[in-house]
Amino acid sequence: AQSVAQPEDQVNVAEGNPLTVKCTYSVSGNPYLFWYVQYPNRGLQFLLKYITGDNLVKGSYGFEAEFNKSQTSFHLKKPSALVSDSALYFCAVRDDYKLSFGAGTTVTVRA
Amino acid sequence: AAGVIQSPRHLIKEKRETATLKCYPIPRHDTVYWYQQGPGQDPQFLISFYEKMQSDKGSIPDRFSAQQFSDYHSELNMSSLELGDSALYFCAIAVSGANVLTFGAGSRLTVL
Repeated sequence: AQSVAQPEDQVNVAEGNPLTVKCTYSVSGNPYLFWYVQYPNRGLQFLLKYITGDNLVKGSYGFEAEFNKSQTSFHLKKPSALVSDSALYFCAVRDDYKLSFGAGTTVTVRA
Repeated sequence: AAGVIQSPRHLIKEKRETATLKCYPIPRHDTVYWYQQGPGQDPQFLISFYEKMQSDKGSIPDRFSAQQFSDYHSELNMSSLELGDSALYFCAIAVSGANVLTFGAGSRLTVL
């Protein structure tokens, strides 16, 4: 089965600093990878995806992610974090026609 | 843009009661997924439907059942509720050609 892992439960950064949320994957074949964000008591919002093509993927709200095949990673990045980026972030992989999610990383951006 | 309406948004039930959650893809959509997210947990896949037929099954308890109707809305039925069923339940659709799941806002079930 396809799976992803998020090694960090929490990430804390100061506003204006770079933000990185880590994700590694384990798949057979070519991975379809995704990042979703969840604000408190809200649904999951799609940020970006990697299917094929350029290893650097740009998404919503200034986020981007870098697909690294040799390191089996798909880290989410934002050059300058905002307080409003504080949320729960999930990495996900397509498994057949459904998504399998990582455990999630809580991001706190302090003013 | 495609989206999902879920109802009710909040539901409180007692142990051993029954609950029904509803999902309305907008516009009508042939594929629907159900996920369960427990407190502090990642979303877990329960079940999916394609053209009103079950297409995949995940970690869905036998006490739960679901179906997709002729108008493509879907319902998740949960019986003999247990405290551990307290969770956020999401419905999602796959946006055609985009390989992306679009999730509803979720239904929060609290079992007392």
